[in-house]
Amino acid sequence: DTEVTQTPKHLVMGMTNKKSLKCEQHMGHRAMYWYKQKAKKPPELMFVYSYEKLSINESVPSRFSPECPNSSLLNLHLHALQPEDSALYLCASSQGGYGGGNTEAFFGQGTRLTVV
Amino acid sequence: GQSLEQPSEVTAVEGAIVQINCTYQTSGFYGLSWYQQHDGGAPTFLSYNALDGLEETGRFSSFLSRSDSYGYLLLQELQMKDSASYFCAVRDRAGGFKTIFGAGTRLFVKA
Repeated sequence: DTEVTQTPKHLVMGMTNKKSLKCEQHMGHRAMYWYKQKAKKPPELMFVYSYEKLSINESVPSRFSPECPNSSLLNLHLHALQPEDSALYLCASSQGGYGGGNTEAFFGQGTRLTVV
Repeated sequence: GQSLEQPSEVTAVEGAIVQINCTYQTSGFYGLSWYQQHDGGAPTFLSYNALDGLEETGRFSSFLSRSDSYGYLLLQELQMKDSASYFCAVRDRAGGFKTIFGAGTRLFVKA
């Protein structure tokens, strides 16, 4: 199994809503990532988890809250988002933990988020 | 900080060879990766270079020169399905082993 599974595939939410994005991998990878991608732009790193601990937060606003319940799961909790937060949110995983190992990252298909 | 430069667009014909260049500036260079992304799809890993030289994987090859802070992706025997965006990405140990993506090169393959 070389898949990273993200749910939901599409999400429309109001600015006062609370929602969560979910990501799952069963490849035994110890690093998991959230990226945000706007149309025709590269993925922008948001968070990195290594061995289930948050190792990098790229100064992401607190309305985005990541959570790593176990080594296979990664969540992104959303609250009080703004319309400019509408984007494709990508989850990725890689074998190595913080600092090394195989750096090939496997990406999920993403959640296309629209904030209205 | 980090910065990467790659051409915004490249057009080539089926069967041809195309090279997509990437130059980078980073304080803690660890390696250079290449990803392919089709419209509406997820980025897919193509190759990774940590050391100078050429890595070959089927029709795709990637080259790195650390002294020149330069790399390229070479695509041979182009097919229509190769039309996609190609991102170079630097793995940087400064600030904690991040992978930072370049702006991407949109490749158009014509018949």
